[in-house]
Amino acid sequence: LAKTTQPISMDSYEGQEVNITCSHNNIATNDYITWYQQFPSQGPRFIIQGYKTKVTNEVASLFIPADRKSSTLSLPRVSLSDTAVYYCLVGDMPNAGKSTFGDGTTLTVKP
Amino acid sequence: DAGVIQSPRHEVTEMGQEVTLRCKPISGHDYLFWYRQTMMRGLELLIYFNNNVPIDDSGMPEDRFSAKMPNASFSTLKIQPSEPRDSAVYFCASSSSPRVGYTFGSGTRLTVV
Repeated sequence: LAKTTQPISMDSYEGQEVNITCSHNNIATNDYITWYQQFPSQGPRFIIQGYKTKVTNEVASLFIPADRKSSTLSLPRVSLSDTAVYYCLVGDMPNAGKSTFGDGTTLTVKP
Repeated sequence: DAGVIQSPRHEVTEMGQEVTLRCKPISGHDYLFWYRQTMMRGLELLIYFNNNVPIDDSGMPEDRFSAKMPNASFSTLKIQPSEPRDSAVYFCASSSSPRVGYTFGSGTRLTVV
């Protein structure tokens, strides 16, 4: 069972790039790394998923080093609306029961 | 697509009463998950289904909780009898494949008094 560790909170300012790192030292060979964003009173929203190296989509980039023991979610030029909780999830479906959401990182973007 | 639809959005019930939460997954998604979120325990996976079959219910807290998926477009999570410690936000999520992120519903906020 891959346990994840993330910073509890982070602060940033509008327009800055934000990098949130997740540690997952016991990641298994078949495990993927997925990041979710959650706003108050809403369900988590899928942001990005990767297995190794770098993945980029329209909202974020995900950097995964060769040993895969950590990953970094990069949010370019954040705005106030990016204030949310960000979760790193490591696991492999169909063994989804073994994938757990950690405590998440509360990102606060200030004007 | 309307996304994952959960009902009701809010439920307030008295201790001892039966509570039924409902979920309609995205059409074509073969995986369905029920999560519970509280301040103390965060997001917990309760149970998940694949092609309407329960695969892993190890997260179901106790026998008072049961979940069914009679067809590909509907699932229920039932609590009988309900207790105050069951108060939480219950999320349903669905996914189309083992390698794709989940789509969550808006959740049901349950309050047991």
